Amino acid sequence: RKEVEQDPGPFNVPEGATVAFNCTYSNSASQSFFWYRQDCRKEPKLLMSVYSSGNEDGRFTAQLNRASQYISLLIRDSKLSDSATYLCVVNELTGGGNKLTFGTGTQLKVEL
Amino acid sequence: ETGVTQTPRHLVMGMTNKKSLKCEQHLGHNAMYWYKQSAKKPLELMFVYNFKEQTENNSVPSRFSPECPNSSHLFLHLHTLQPEDSALYLCASSQDAGGTTAGNTIYFGEGSWLTVV
Repeated sequence: RKEVEQDPGPFNVPEGATVAFNCTYSNSASQSFFWYRQDCRKEPKLLMSVYSSGNEDGRFTAQLNRASQYISLLIRDSKLSDSATYLCVVNELTGGGNKLTFGTGTQLKVEL
Repeated sequence: ETGVTQTPRHLVMGMTNKKSLKCEQHLGHNAMYWYKQSAKKPLELMFVYNFKEQTENNSVPSRFSPECPNSSHLFLHLHTLQPEDSALYLCASSQDAGGTTAGNTIYFGEGSWLTVV
C-alpha cells in the first residue's frame, strides 16, 4: 500500500463547479498535513496546511479525518487558474526530524 | 521572486560527465533538502541537511553526492549518472528539520531539469 495515495485524475470540471479531492495515508503516526499545488513544469507551492478542526481559505476548504486516515480538499467556484496538480503531503516526525511524504498528485483541469 | 534559487535550470549531461547543481536559500532557514521528481512518480526525498549536518540519506546511489557548506547553500554533485536519473531535481528549505508544527513548512526552488544522455 502506498504511504500517501491520491486519485491521479484528471478531474475535468467546468468553471464555477465545486470539486473535491481525497487523499489517504497509511502511517497513523503522521502528525501534520498539507496540500501543495504544482503547476505544469513548476515547483510545488504550499496551498494550505490541514488542521484537525478543518480550515478554510477563501474558496478552499481542507479537512482531516484521523480515524479514517484521510484528508480532503474542496474547491468551490472553480476558476480556470485553479488548473494544476494538487499534492497531498503528510509529515511524520522521525529520529532524523520531519519526514514529508508526497502523494503523486491529483490533476485538475478547469474548462470554460 | 522565489526565496530558493536553483542553478542551472536545465542541464544535459553525458553518462561520463561530472556536473553540479546549486541551490541557495534567502529565507534564513536552517534545513535544506534535495528531492527528485520523475514522471508519474511522487516526489522522492534524497537528502536532508539540518544546520549544515546531513540528517538523512534516503538510500541514494553514491553517484549523487551532496554538499552543504553553510545553511544557505546546498550542492548536488553528479557523476557517472544513468539515463534513468533524468528527472526534475528540486531543492527546498524549511525553518529546521525538526518539529511538527504546521508552520514549519517547506519551500521549493524552481528545480533543475536534468537529462542524462
